Amino acid sequence: GQQLNQSPQSMFIQEGEDVSMNCTSSSIFNTWLWYKQDPGEGPVLLIALYKAGELTSNGRLTAQFGITRKDSFLNISASIPSDVGIYFCAGGGSNYKLTFGKGTLLTVNP
Amino acid sequence: KAGVTQTPRYLIKTRGQQVTLSCSPISGHRSVSWYQQTPGQGLQFLFEYFSETQRNKGNFPGRFSGRQFSNSRSEMNVSTLELGDSALYLCASSLSRGSGNIQYFGAGTRLSVL
Repeated sequence: GQQLNQSPQSMFIQEGEDVSMNCTSSSIFNTWLWYKQDPGEGPVLLIALYKAGELTSNGRLTAQFGITRKDSFLNISASIPSDVGIYFCAGGGSNYKLTFGKGTLLTVNP
Repeated sequence: KAGVTQTPRYLIKTRGQQVTLSCSPISGHRSVSWYQQTPGQGLQFLFEYFSETQRNKGNFPGRFSGRQFSNSRSEMNVSTLELGDSALYLCASSLSRGSGNIQYFGAGTRLSVL
């Protein structure tokens, strides 16, 4: 089946630093989504990408859909304490299913 | 517009029991997917329902089942509970099917099996 490799697994950074995380796959996807999950809550959509090469921003967040359609990255600029949480990438394929990465746990030290 | 609602939020069961979880999708959304989330495995796809029919199924044993009603509300059932079924069960709804349709998640049901 399709699998996503998300890295890094965890990050511990200082407030104000920039963050970068990525997902790669051996399969191509039609859609890339990035979600954030806070403790005790469900994942919340941050950015949706629909086209290879697409670069999209949402405030301090920027994500790109890789040209090969097999990867995506998410950057967070000037991190703040409320950025703490688990970030998931998800790829949408032709089988109508979303495949999720295992998440990146982000800790921000004030 | 109300989001995805999952009930109950927390459940404690013992081995061998069965459990039913409920999910009310966003109004107008017709596709409902279920996921199991555990610390070691991340989000694992259980199944997807659209128009009251199961359209996709993940690699879970037959003890896991679900259904969808005509108002798009969905339930999932786990029979003969095992300790390893302890997890956060997440429901997500989308307007329709297809990889271009964004899934919106509920807050989940935390199931603990003792």
